[in-house]
Formats: sequence, C-alpha cells, structure tokens
Amino acid sequence: EAAVTQSPRNKVTVTGGNVTLSCRQTNSHNYMYWYRQDTGHGLRLIHYSYGAGNLQIGDVPDGYKATRTTQEDFFLLLELASPSQTSLYFCASSDVGAYEQYFGPGTRLTVL
Amino acid sequence: QQQVRQSPQSLTVWEGGTTVLTCSYEDSTFNYFPWYQQFPGEGPALLISILSVSDKKEDGRFTTFFNKREKKLSLHIIDSQPGDSATYFCAASAGSNNRIFFGDGTQLVVKP
Repeated sequence: EAAVTQSPRNKVTVTGGNVTLSCRQTNSHNYMYWYRQDTGHGLRLIHYSYGAGNLQIGDVPDGYKATRTTQEDFFLLLELASPSQTSLYFCASSDVGAYEQYFGPGTRLTVL
Repeated sequence: QQQVRQSPQSLTVWEGGTTVLTCSYEDSTFNYFPWYQQFPGEGPALLISILSVSDKKEDGRFTTFFNKREKKLSLHIIDSQPGDSATYFCAASAGSNNRIFFGDGTQLVVKP
C-alpha cells in the first residue's frame, strides 16, 4: 500500500485562484516535505515540517503557504495562483529528516 | 547557489553498456549522499546511498563512488537495461539540518 498519497493528482486553475494540495503519509514519520519539480531545475524544496503545527521555510517559498495539521497530513496552499506556479508537486516524508525520503506520486498543477 | 551540481543533463546509452553519472558539491559538512531514481509518472525513490566514511557502495548493477577530497560522487550502472531508463537525482545532506539538497537530475535513455 502506498505510504504517501497526494490529492488531487491533477489540477487546473486560473490566475488568481485558490488551490490546496493535500498530502497524507502512513509511515508514522516525523518529517514531511513539499517540493516542486520543473525541467532543468530538479527538485526544489518549498516548505517542510517536523511535526504537527511546525513549519520550516524551504528554498522557494514565495507564493506558497503550508500547514501541518497532524502527523499524517501536510497541506500546500496557493492563495493567488500564478502561471509561474505551473509545475509538478511532490510530497515526501522521512523518519529522520536528512536521510531516506519517501515520495508521493505527485500532483500536476496547471495555472492558466 | 546550487549546493549539488549534476551532469550530464541527459544521456543515451545502448543496452549492455555502462552508464556513468556524476555530481559535485561544495559544502564540506555533507556526509550522506543518496541517489534517487524516478520513472515517468512516479515520485522519486531511493536507489542507493553512501556515507562519507566510505568510498564505494555496490547494489547489484549499481555502484556509487565517493571522493571526499575532490567533493565528487558518481553512479555507475553496468549492463544497462531499457528498464533503467529514468531520471536520476544525486543528493547530499549534512544530517543536522533535516533536509536533502538535490541535483537537477539526469534523464537516462537506454536503447535496445
């Protein structure tokens, strides 16, 4: 069974729209991460968290908010979506933050 | 400043050949170096990893080499198979800051 799930798998919105991407992990891991993947840029870290209520800033946080409501659930919020946020978004979890990360299947977001 | 540099961006090899991917890094505090493999439509998954106390680690057809003095690492795939066609990411971590820094990835195509 998939230990990291993401929803939706695909999302299309318009410029200025509100989007929430969801991630759930059943690994009982403490750390969760949100990345975006773009051609030529690899995986770029947006936000991460080491537990419910905690949030750490990543390398490309502008335009994104995130919230960790429980150990299992981590949400990425785009409150005023822009075309530059069109990307493939991955969530990941890990037990000890700097070692093996387990990735979800990704959400493809298109902002028109 | 990019923490981990990876080359080449793309690579095509013939079935049965040897694939070599390389990475370099700057931060001398990095001590953990994983390689992730990503198939189309999926999230990345850990392929092989090495700690800075070692200079070589093998797992079947996959071997990763680490050169601490030159701050370089490489991934060798012997007897490359069409099923190895994927994007490969090298990464690095210091362990203490609970995050991994990824390279931009190499898209590998193995032709039959």
